[in-house]
Amino acid sequence: GGIITQTPKFLIGQEGQKLTLKCQQNFNHDTMYWYRQDSGKGLRLIYYSITENDLQKGDLSEGYDASREKKSSFSLTVTSAQKNEMAVFLCASSIMGTGGNERLFFGHGTKLSVL
Amino acid sequence: GDSVTQTEGLVTLTEGLPVMLNCTYQTIYSNPFLFWYVQHLNESPRLLLKSFTDNKRTEHQGFHATLHKSSSSFHLQKSSAQLSDSALYYCALSNYNVLYFGSGTKLTVEP
Repeated sequence: GGIITQTPKFLIGQEGQKLTLKCQQNFNHDTMYWYRQDSGKGLRLIYYSITENDLQKGDLSEGYDASREKKSSFSLTVTSAQKNEMAVFLCASSIMGTGGNERLFFGHGTKLSVL
Repeated sequence: GDSVTQTEGLVTLTEGLPVMLNCTYQTIYSNPFLFWYVQHLNESPRLLLKSFTDNKRTEHQGFHATLHKSSSSFHLQKSSAQLSDSALYYCALSNYNVLYFGSGTKLTVEP
């Protein structure tokens, strides 16, 4: 089995600050994802990457940057934290090329609070 | 574009009663994959079941769902709710690139 590790688990930032969230997976999966989880809004896709150095925007990419430095790692940057923002960011990975039958494996999340 | 609709945000049931969580979807693809993910408190979401075949019942861990392309639905059901079923349930649709999730249904099962 494999594991997805997200760091940090909790992140407290100041308004306007640039904040970086990191994700590592040892499944050797091709595709990695960043989702934002808000109560009542479900899981919304921010960015995904189908291979090293690839980046694809999701529906919620504005205000975020991402970087796929190597196959096992995928980082997300909040370019300017919004005051009173509170959300959980979930990283996930899956095997590529299964024709839509991807099963996503999720990390435990990074909980962001902005003061 | 592709989307998933879960109409109930909160469902509260008494233990032993049947469970039905609604899921409908919109997609341009004629052969979508539909999924149910479950997230228990303080845990990450995990796959519960999935389907690709029209009108075929899929079962896992006491839950079942049938993909009906004619009505674009993939409702999650269980015959008898247990306390341990209390969790957040997400319906999701694959468009062959990414998964689109619904807004989620929080199921609470009471004694």
